Amino acid sequence: EAGVTQSPTHLIKTRGQQATLRCSPISGHTSVYWYQQALGLGLQFLLWYDEGEERNRGNFPPRFSGRQFPNYSSELNVNALELEDSALYLCASSARLGADTQYFGPGTRLTVL
Amino acid sequence: SQQGEEDPQALSIQEGENATMNCSYKTSINNLQWYRQNSGRGLVHLILIRSNEREKHSGRLRVTLDTSKKSSSLLITASRAADTASYFCVMTSGSRLTFGEGTQLTVNP
Repeated sequence: EAGVTQSPTHLIKTRGQQATLRCSPISGHTSVYWYQQALGLGLQFLLWYDEGEERNRGNFPPRFSGRQFPNYSSELNVNALELEDSALYLCASSARLGADTQYFGPGTRLTVL
Repeated sequence: SQQGEEDPQALSIQEGENATMNCSYKTSINNLQWYRQNSGRGLVHLILIRSNEREKHSGRLRVTLDTSKKSSSLLITASRAADTASYFCVMTSGSRLTFGEGTQLTVNP
């Protein structure tokens, strides 16, 4: 069974640009979560999607947005990039709404220059 | 936001020794999980302990949970160099996961 996949592995952007990160959940999983892991700040919850709807949102500005597609894959968009957006962005999926265990992808390393 | 606190922040031991990491949290939880992260990679789920459980074992891992003290510990016995990684406690409250700061474990061969 394939795990959670994320693309791209690395992404380099400049300030003010937009970044799009993609995630494919484990087959059969309907919930997708996004996390930011910035140096020195630990893992921070960003967004949670289930069945195509945004279920919860972390304490991030509106320029962080996303969506979930009918096949349950998801995109995370970050607009007007700032230097401090440089981080590892992790996607996770779970089997159903509110399931206990989340399974993580390998992450996308975003560098903003 | 609610963050778990882990200690120590870093732990360095020799192969064969046991490693103990502790986690404390602030509000009530449904369960607590431990994840491991190799440098710059995704997280791997290790073990889940529910709020009505006190101790759980999985291979060389032993997890305890004390809800009265709002704390948990992860014990790795007979450590190996391959156990070198960051370990995170993750609290589930409702539908949201909250992560601890992590403990960086280094096991020296």
